[in-house]
Amino acid sequence: AQSVTQLDSQVPVFEEAPVELRCNYSSSVSVYLFWYVQYPNQGLQLLLKYLSGSTLVESINGFEAEFNKSQTSFHLRKPSVHISDTAEYFCAVLDTGRRALTFGSGTRLQVQP
Amino acid sequence: KAGVTQTPRYLIKTRGQQVTLSCSPISGHRSVSWYQQTPGQGLQFLFEYFSETQRNKGNFPGRFSGRQFSNSRSEMNVSTLELGDSALYLCASIPGLAGYNEQFFGPGTRLTVL
Repeated sequence: AQSVTQLDSQVPVFEEAPVELRCNYSSSVSVYLFWYVQYPNQGLQLLLKYLSGSTLVESINGFEAEFNKSQTSFHLRKPSVHISDTAEYFCAVLDTGRRALTFGSGTRLQVQP
Repeated sequence: KAGVTQTPRYLIKTRGQQVTLSCSPISGHRSVSWYQQTPGQGLQFLFEYFSETQRNKGNFPGRFSGRQFSNSRSEMNVSTLELGDSALYLCASIPGLAGYNEQFFGPGTRLTVL
């Protein structure tokens, strides 16, 4: 069975500081990994995904994540955060057989001025 | 292209009642998945529908059911509501048959059971 562990439930950070949200996965098959963001009272928005190829994937709003097979990790990073990045972030792995996402418990990013 | 639509956005029911939630996927998408989000259990997969057929199901009791119509719109039904069914129910629209396709989520329906 696949599983995802997000090691930090909350990450407070000051505006313009760098941030890393940690995600480790467990899977016995090919891995497809995702980061989603959820703003208050909204659904999930896809930030970025790893399907294959380059281990470093980037989003249009400055986030990036690196797939590390040996460490079974897919950490999310941003070099300089903004107040508007305050949200909850979910790491997920896709079960291709069931076409179902298994999510981590989420990390609440709190950007302070 | 319009996004995923879920109705209603908010719902209040009492224990023992039943409820039906609706999801309209992105035009041209033929598969819909449902997820439940609660503070205690997080995000959990409920079921997936493709071409009006349930293809996959998560670990939920039979009180949770769903269906998909020929226009790809989907409904999920929860019967004999319990307090623990209070949650945000998210619908995801899936573009195609390839398993790795990203899932586009709607805004969710927040169900409160009193």
